Amino acid sequence: QKEVEQNSGPLSVPEGAIASLNCTYSDRGSQSFFWYRQYSGKSPELIMFIYSNGDKEDGRFTAQLNKASQYVSLLIRDSQPSDSATYLCAFTPKGGGADGLTFGKGTHLIIQP
Amino acid sequence: ETGVTQSPTHLIKTRGQQVTLRCSSQSGHNTVSWYQQALGQGPQFIFQYYREEENGRGNFPPRFSGLQFPNYSSELNVNALELDDSALYLCASSFGTNTGELFFGEGSRLTVL
Repeated sequence: QKEVEQNSGPLSVPEGAIASLNCTYSDRGSQSFFWYRQYSGKSPELIMFIYSNGDKEDGRFTAQLNKASQYVSLLIRDSQPSDSATYLCAFTPKGGGADGLTFGKGTHLIIQP
Repeated sequence: ETGVTQSPTHLIKTRGQQVTLRCSSQSGHNTVSWYQQALGQGPQFIFQYYREEENGRGNFPPRFSGLQFPNYSSELNVNALELDDSALYLCASSFGTNTGELFFGEGSRLTVL
């Protein structure tokens, strides 16, 4: 069974600090990893994807992937109140996207002004 | 560029009834996936359509069925509704099947009484 584990939170972080969100996955064949942001009552929005081991930076966001440890994380620098949302970790299994994305339950992030 | 649109946004049905949900994919996208998101959970993959055929399916019973039309729009049909079918149904479009870079619509919230 393919699974994604995330701490559901809530994770409370002061404004301006670094928010660190973590995710582990069970499928060693997983190919690609994604972070989606979901505001309350809204649909998920893709914010980062990472395919190779290491770090990938995009503005205030950094995704980190360690396939050997089956671990992916998202760092948000200079956290803003507008970053308050649920962050969903997801992956595609070996073989590609036709099997769909497997999502975690999400981590609820609260940025305190 | 037109985003993903879904209809209806909210609907209420009773157990045993049937429902049809509709989705128009983002301009330029040829693949549509459907996900079910129960309250407090991550989205779960129902199926994916490409070239008007089901291209992949998650762990959902046959009473969940779909269609894709030549203009890439799609329908999700659920027969014999059960109380546990109450959820947010998300349509996501993408270019190609082998990707987790999805663009979600705002969803259709189904309540089964």
